[in-house]
Amino acid sequence: SQQGEEDPQALSIQEGENATMNCSYKTSINNLQWYRQNSGRGLVHLILIRSNEREKHSGRLRVTLDTSKKSSSLLITASRAADTASYFCATDAELTFGKGTLLTVNP
Amino acid sequence: DAGITQSPRYKITETGRQVTLMCHQTWSHSYMFWYRQDLGHGLRLIYYSAAADITDKGEVPDGYVVSRSKTENFPLTLESATRSQTSVYFCASNLGSSYNEQFFGPGTRLTVL
Repeated sequence: SQQGEEDPQALSIQEGENATMNCSYKTSINNLQWYRQNSGRGLVHLILIRSNEREKHSGRLRVTLDTSKKSSSLLITASRAADTASYFCATDAELTFGKGTLLTVNP
Repeated sequence: DAGITQSPRYKITETGRQVTLMCHQTWSHSYMFWYRQDLGHGLRLIYYSAAADITDKGEVPDGYVVSRSKTENFPLTLESATRSQTSVYFCASNLGSSYNEQFFGPGTRLTVL
């Protein structure tokens, strides 16, 4: 079974808008990670948030974690066409990834 | 600094043939992983290894064999390829444990006819 499940499956926005995607998981975790995958490439690590953290920032990325709801969100602010990619979450509890959110940023 | 590489990048084979996908990392990372990525299924873990000579099954290990005689190499073998094993295979590694970020290779696209 998959630990991290991303939602929505697809998201299409205009350049400059913010994009929010969500991740739900099933069991207790020590950390949760977000990755990006450009078409035809391997995954690239974006950010890691630990279970004792509620929010973390990295550049235009903002990640929140709610361990009581077993959920996380990734916010990309002021999106760019280059942000077009699939985004995945993964937890340390199980070495699995969800199906990802396909983000399309239209110029 | 080559990082993590996979070979071949593309492979076409026939049902029943043995195929080996190679993964090599230059960081001396302890952990290495093999995933397959299919439409509608996301990434699924096939096998992983915590160190040389230590391997463990993941979510979908059937039909696959791994070995890790050297820290830097983690080959994945399909002993008798089936059409259902047509997929994109990714190798990954990380520093010390499953708690750390994983570094992914570029992937191998395998087609089994």
